Amino acid sequence: DAKTTQPNSMESNEEEPVHLPCNHSTISGTDYIHWYRQLPSQGPEYVIHGLTSNVNNRMASLAIAEDRKSSTLILHRATLRDAAVYYCILRTYSGAGSYQLTFGKGTKLSVIP
Amino acid sequence: DSGVTQTPKHLITATGQRVTLRCSPRSGDLSVYWYQQSLDQGLQFLIQYYNGEERAKGNILERFSAQQFPDLHSELNLSSLELGDSALYFCASSSHRQGMDTQYFGPGTRLTVL
Repeated sequence: DAKTTQPNSMESNEEEPVHLPCNHSTISGTDYIHWYRQLPSQGPEYVIHGLTSNVNNRMASLAIAEDRKSSTLILHRATLRDAAVYYCILRTYSGAGSYQLTFGKGTKLSVIP
Repeated sequence: DSGVTQTPKHLITATGQRVTLRCSPRSGDLSVYWYQQSLDQGLQFLIQYYNGEERAKGNILERFSAQQFPDLHSELNLSSLELGDSALYFCASSSHRQGMDTQYFGPGTRLTVL
């Protein structure tokens, strides 16, 4: 199984940028990097995904290393609502024509007012 | 609001019993996924259905089964329940058959087995 490594927890001050790192040294050429987050008492929520190039959307930016063995999720201005567990996931082909998301433990982000 | 609904929100039952969890996907989504989230195992993929047919299986126990109906809602059946089955069960949906796109998660069903 393709695996990712993330810090267990991180802290950020409100209204400051946050960089959440992820290592995925066993990534293969066709694996997409997905980020989901899970707010307290809610289901996971899609944040962003990418393959090789850096990606931006209204929620965050994703910076992918040139060798693709690591990536960083960037929240440009953390708010209290961003306090959540952030999962870095490799979407891998599971065989039988289907792709799966394999969740790890994630990084618990705390935002300090 | 992701557009995915799950019922019930909470379920308390006893060991050995059988329960059914229900999921309605977002309008237009044909794929439904089931996940189990427990404190020690994290979020684990159980099974995927696409337009009524099973597409992929993850770490689903033989005591568990699922199906997707013609109206695309899905049910997860858990039988011979054990204490260790206590967990949050999430359903997600997507439009793509192969799971290549974003998954939208429901709010979950919290199952407590006493």
